[in-house]
Amino acid sequence: SAVISQKPSRDICQRGTSLTIQCQVDSQVTMMFWYRQQPGQSLTLIATANQGSEATYESGFVIDKFPISRPNLTFSTLTVSNMSPEDSSIYLCSVEDLRFGYDTEAFFGQGTRLTVV
Amino acid sequence: QKEVEQDPGPLSVPEGAIVSLNCTYSNSAFQYFMWYRQYSRKGPELLMYTYSSGNKEDGRFTAQVDKSSKYISLFIRDSQPSDSATYLCAMSERATNKLIFGTGTLLAVQP
Repeated sequence: SAVISQKPSRDICQRGTSLTIQCQVDSQVTMMFWYRQQPGQSLTLIATANQGSEATYESGFVIDKFPISRPNLTFSTLTVSNMSPEDSSIYLCSVEDLRFGYDTEAFFGQGTRLTVV
Repeated sequence: QKEVEQDPGPLSVPEGAIVSLNCTYSNSAFQYFMWYRQYSRKGPELLMYTYSSGNKEDGRFTAQVDKSSKYISLFIRDSQPSDSATYLCAMSERATNKLIFGTGTLLAVQP
């Protein structure tokens, strides 16, 4: 099983600033995913990060607000830019697991709990 | 209407009880159905995976999919305090390969 380390685990940030979240995997993976988990709401996919190409963003999420880097097969970053209190949430990265012969995200990091004040 | 509906709970049961967790969905193209368990301040972990309809059993856990009713269930037998967590259902269709999650049900098993 993949082990995913996310940093920071939590942070309190001032509005208007930016925070970069790091995700490190202990093995090479093709696809990495970034999710947002707001209180009382479903886990929502922000974007898919593939190594060597631009991230693919879901409806409602844009690169200017959530720039993503994927420099190699074990690492990715998500930046939350120009933060407002509405960005307060848990942000999670995940990677696919091919055990079932189907790309399903089985492994998640522990999440980054972000509070914007 | 949300694509996936899940009762958020909280659900409180005594130790040893049988727990039934459920999700309904509206997209008939969903073929892959998953249950994740999420402990407090941790990321979700995949618990059960089912393709199409039918049952799947793994120890104390049984996942059921009824595609005709667009309804999936997770049963936990002989529930333990260590089962206390939030349980999220998720599903996807092959065409998009994108997971759609329910909001999660918070379960508390009382010793």
